[in-house]
Amino acid sequence: QLQLQESGPGLVKPSETLSLTCTVSGGSISSSSYYWGWIRQPPGKGLEWIGSIYYSGSTYYNPSLKSRVTISVDTSKNQFSLKLSSVTAADTAVYYCACGRVFDYWGQGTLVTVSS
Amino acid sequence: SSELTQDPAVSVALGQTVRITCQGDSLRSYYASWYQQKPGQAPVLVIYGKNNRPSGIPDRFSGSSSGNTASLTITGAQAEDEADYYCNSRDSSGNHHVFGTGTKVTVL
Repeated sequence: QLQLQESGPGLVKPSETLSLTCTVSGGSISSSSYYWGWIRQPPGKGLEWIGSIYYSGSTYYNPSLKSRVTISVDTSKNQFSLKLSSVTAADTAVYYCACGRVFDYWGQGTLVTVSS
Repeated sequence: SSELTQDPAVSVALGQTVRITCQGDSLRSYYASWYQQKPGQAPVLVIYGKNNRPSGIPDRFSGSSSGNTASLTITGAQAEDEADYYCNSRDSSGNHHVFGTGTKVTVL
């Protein structure tokens, strides 16, 4: 049973870069069966797909965020990461990492607030 | 269009059946998956593919699809089924995911 855990700063200043890491346990991030993604949920609102990375290394990003997003994998640490640049208050949300053939497995989520 | 549209809220009497729908052009080509989210918790996958339930999901949850509409049916709704439900699928390119707008299910 895969387990995912997000980590990173809970507070980011406007215009700075949000950086989060998802640590995977119970399986290998090198699995060719899965893709690994980030999803966010602003307070009181719905889910928004941010982007995904496949075992091949291919990345796909939400077109509305593409210019600001980078997702990468560190196989040596069994982790994958999210970087979102030039953040504003609109980027305040609970950020989830998830994986699977669909999004089978989810982390518990981490609240990131953008504020000075 | 890459949007998936859901009714904002539905209610169901305890033990009765409720259907939640998700509409979008991409559903003509791709199956939807469905997620249950309770307050303060991460989403949980309840249905994927044609009509598949992950281990541990009760068989009162089922999925179907026709044309541009995917549906999640809860047959014999229980109090613990009260939650927000989101559909998810690919967009027309097949490379991007999109979530539905979400449906709040209230069990009366």
